Amino acid sequence: GNSVTQMEGPVTLSEEAFLTINCTYTATGYPSLFWYVQYPGEGLQLLLKATKADDKGSNKGFEATYRKETTSFHLEKGSVQVSDSAVYFCALRAGTYKYIFGTGTRLKVLA
Amino acid sequence: EPEVTQTPSHQVTQMGQEVILRCVPISNHLYFYWYRQILGQKVEFLVSFYNNEISEKSEIFDDQFSVERPDGSNFTLKIRSTKLEDSAMYFCASSEYRVEGANVLTFGAGSRLTVL
Repeated sequence: GNSVTQMEGPVTLSEEAFLTINCTYTATGYPSLFWYVQYPGEGLQLLLKATKADDKGSNKGFEATYRKETTSFHLEKGSVQVSDSAVYFCALRAGTYKYIFGTGTRLKVLA
Repeated sequence: EPEVTQTPSHQVTQMGQEVILRCVPISNHLYFYWYRQILGQKVEFLVSFYNNEISEKSEIFDDQFSVERPDGSNFTLKIRSTKLEDSAMYFCASSEYRVEGANVLTFGAGSRLTVL
């Protein structure tokens, strides 16, 4: 069946450090891939998405590239800020109404 | 910016009691969803709803659960007889339309349910 695996957190970085949060997936067909972010006390917000292989989603300095050959959609940011502290969820949608989410990775950025 | 609102933000209930979680989706959205997240675990799909009927549900969504759109704005999740394992954060979401591969969900802030 379809599934998403994210790296375990928490991830703690200093401000301006490089961020990578790994995400791999298993899916039949050609899923769409998403990163959602949840700031404290808020709902999940779409951060970026990619709908086909080799697409790169980007938003707010975050990027992720849909890699079909490695079934991955790793999230990266070149220089994190304290305000990026949140929980990040990788998700896929494959031909049905439902999204399948990973467990979430908590990011803490220290000033 | 339009948002999905959920109430209550936190509810504590005794095992066996009925609970209703409420959601107001974005007004022009047509598809509605409930997800839940047990503490420290994955965000899990429960049910999707379109055109006043369930379009898909997971194995979690058993006879104890029901959804309803009682009027033009609210979307509710009812748990008839809560169990300890129903303790979780419940997220409502809505989407504007279903375009294959491009459907984007807008989530509410969640309702935390604690069953004692």
